[in-house]
Amino acid sequence: EPEVTQTPSHQVTQMGQEVILRCVPISNHLYFYWYRQILGQKVEFLVSFYNNEISEKSEIFDDQFSVERPDGSNFTLKIRSTKLEDSAMYFCASSERGEQYFGPGTRLTVT
Amino acid sequence: GENVEQHPSTLSVQEGDSAVIKCTYSDSASNYFPWYKQELGKRPQLIIDIRSNVGEKKDQRIAVTLNKTAKHFSLHITETQPEDSAVYFCAARGGNTPLVFGKGTRLSVIA
Repeated sequence: EPEVTQTPSHQVTQMGQEVILRCVPISNHLYFYWYRQILGQKVEFLVSFYNNEISEKSEIFDDQFSVERPDGSNFTLKIRSTKLEDSAMYFCASSERGEQYFGPGTRLTVT
Repeated sequence: GENVEQHPSTLSVQEGDSAVIKCTYSDSASNYFPWYKQELGKRPQLIIDIRSNVGEKKDQRIAVTLNKTAKHFSLHITETQPEDSAVYFCAARGGNTPLVFGKGTRLSVIA
């Protein structure tokens, strides 16, 4: 069964550094999402992407964040200048119509 | 925007008993209500979902009910087993808008 994949599984970075989190959505899916989950808390929406552009974004998704679909398979989340409070699990998800399927996540630790 | 409340935050049941988790939503335009199971350190896994044109859906030991008038939906797990222990999240959305998650319920099934 096809699954969403994400790399890396764990990223440690220093405050102020840029990070790029990578996702490969399920191949026939058209809608892509990034969510984050701070340890022990609920899953929070960051951004959705459809037809090569952002369709919706939350207040969390400020100017430090960007997304890109550089080719036909990858979907990336970039954080330009990481802050301590960016430490969280970042999940990519994709959907064809309704059901969203999540990747295994990238644990980002900002020190 | 949509707001999803979930109760209880923790739930302990004896193996073999039933577990019920309840969620309410605020946006009457929401029409899709998935439930995710998240084991420690893993991705949220879609376990069942319901759309607003039905009132109940079952899949083996799990069922979901929806009351559109009252804007609440519930997850029912019967004959619980230790492997059902996890955090369960409800979510809601309308159309292709992002999922809005509840805060999660930590279910412990005691053998």
